[in-house]
Amino acid sequence: EDQVTQSPEALRLQEGESSSLNCSYTVSGLRGLFWYRQDPGKGPEFLFTLYSAGEEKEKERLKATLTKKESFLHITAPKPEDSATYLCAPIQGAQKLVFGQGTRLTINP
Amino acid sequence: DAGVTQSPTHLIKTRGQHVTLRCSPISGHKSVSWYQQVLGQGPQFIFQYYEKEERGRGNFPDRFSARQFPNYSSELNVNALLLGDSALYLCASSLDRGNQPQHFGDGTRLSIL
Repeated sequence: EDQVTQSPEALRLQEGESSSLNCSYTVSGLRGLFWYRQDPGKGPEFLFTLYSAGEEKEKERLKATLTKKESFLHITAPKPEDSATYLCAPIQGAQKLVFGQGTRLTINP
Repeated sequence: DAGVTQSPTHLIKTRGQHVTLRCSPISGHKSVSWYQQVLGQGPQFIFQYYEKEERGRGNFPDRFSARQFPNYSSELNVNALLLGDSALYLCASSLDRGNQPQHFGDGTRLSIL
């Protein structure tokens, strides 16, 4: 059975305190992985696509990496506006996304 | 450019009723997918449509159905509503069936009384 687990479920950091979010998965027919950010009451906002193990993508304070079984979202010197729920979604053929439950990130000023 | 638009934004229904949710994809996008997101969980895949044909279906009962129109907009229909159908229904569009990113609308919040 396809399974996606994100950890931690919730993370509270001080502004400027770097950390990493984890996404581990067991998905058949894996074709890549997306990272999204979701603010309360909004739809997920696309951040990154990773297609192969070893690949890295960066955007402002965020960097996503991919191995064969997991992906990491590294947040460097975060700001309060980085507070959101971060979702990972392995791509399982024909664009079926299998989402994790998300990591709820709070950055305190 | 306009993003994915969904209507209505909020809807309240009672058990046993049916509902139709609508989605307009980003201009030029031919693929539309539907997801259900229960509070505190990640979105769960319901359907994918491409070129007006169903290309993928998640583990949802036959009460759920959808279609895509020639202009690539889409409708999600749910019959015989249950309390457990209360959720945020998200529509996502992408260029085609490849690995291009799916871009989401802000969803329809459906509440069943």
